[in-house]
Amino acid sequence: DVKVTQSSRYLVKRTGEKVFLECVQDMDHENMFWYRQDPGLGLRLIYFSYDVKMKEKGDIPEGYSVSREKKERFSLILESASTNQTSMYLCASSLPSGPNEQFFGPGTRLTVL
Amino acid sequence: AQSVTQLDSQVPVFEEAPVELRCNYSSSVSVYLFWYVQYPNQGLQLLLKYLSGSTLVKGINGFEAEFNKSQTSFHLRKPSVHISDTAEYFCAVRRGSARQLTFGSGTQLTVLP
Repeated sequence: DVKVTQSSRYLVKRTGEKVFLECVQDMDHENMFWYRQDPGLGLRLIYFSYDVKMKEKGDIPEGYSVSREKKERFSLILESASTNQTSMYLCASSLPSGPNEQFFGPGTRLTVL
Repeated sequence: AQSVTQLDSQVPVFEEAPVELRCNYSSSVSVYLFWYVQYPNQGLQLLLKYLSGSTLVKGINGFEAEFNKSQTSFHLRKPSVHISDTAEYFCAVRRGSARQLTFGSGTQLTVLP
C-alpha cells in the first residue's frame, strides 16, 4: 500500500513564525503535491514537484515556498505565517501524468494565532 | 483551464435511500475522472476512477459513477446509503497530459437515521 505521511496532525503557530510542514511517501512516486483545504473552496493546489529539486507553482503559491531535496520528501514552508494561512494542509503523491491517481496523507491542521 | 463543478454543497439523505452526487467538468479533450471521499479529520481516499472504456465505473463501498461525455458529467451514485457514508466527497479531473488534478469544491453527504 502507498503510504503518505505528514509530520504533524495539528500545529499551532504565532503570526510571523517560520513554519515547516513535512511530507514523506514510500512508493517512489515522481510527483508530489501540496494543497490547502478550506470550507466551501475544496482543495487548492499550492505547489507541486515532478522531480527532485524541481517545482512548479500551483493556483495559490503566494506566501509559500517548497523544497524537495530527496525524492521521497516534500516540504512546505511558510516563511512568515499569517492568520489567513490557518487551514488544513494536504500532501499527495502520484506516478507521472496519465490515469494515475493521487495518494493523500492524513493532513495537517494548522492554526496561526 | 480545467474547472470542476459540484452542484450541491450539502446533500442530506435518510439511511437506505439512494443518493446521487453531481459533478460536471469543462473540457473537450481527453480527461481522467476521479471521485475521492474524505471522512472527518482524515485525508482523501480514492473511491473510483474513469480512465476509458465502459462509461459505468464501480468503486469501493458500493458506489458507482457514470461518465457522460456529451454532458461532460461524472455523477456519483449509491442505491442505498449507510450512516457510515457520511463524509465529504470530491470530484476531480486530470487532463491527459497534466500532472495535477483539478478538484471540485466538495459535497458534504450527511446520512440521517
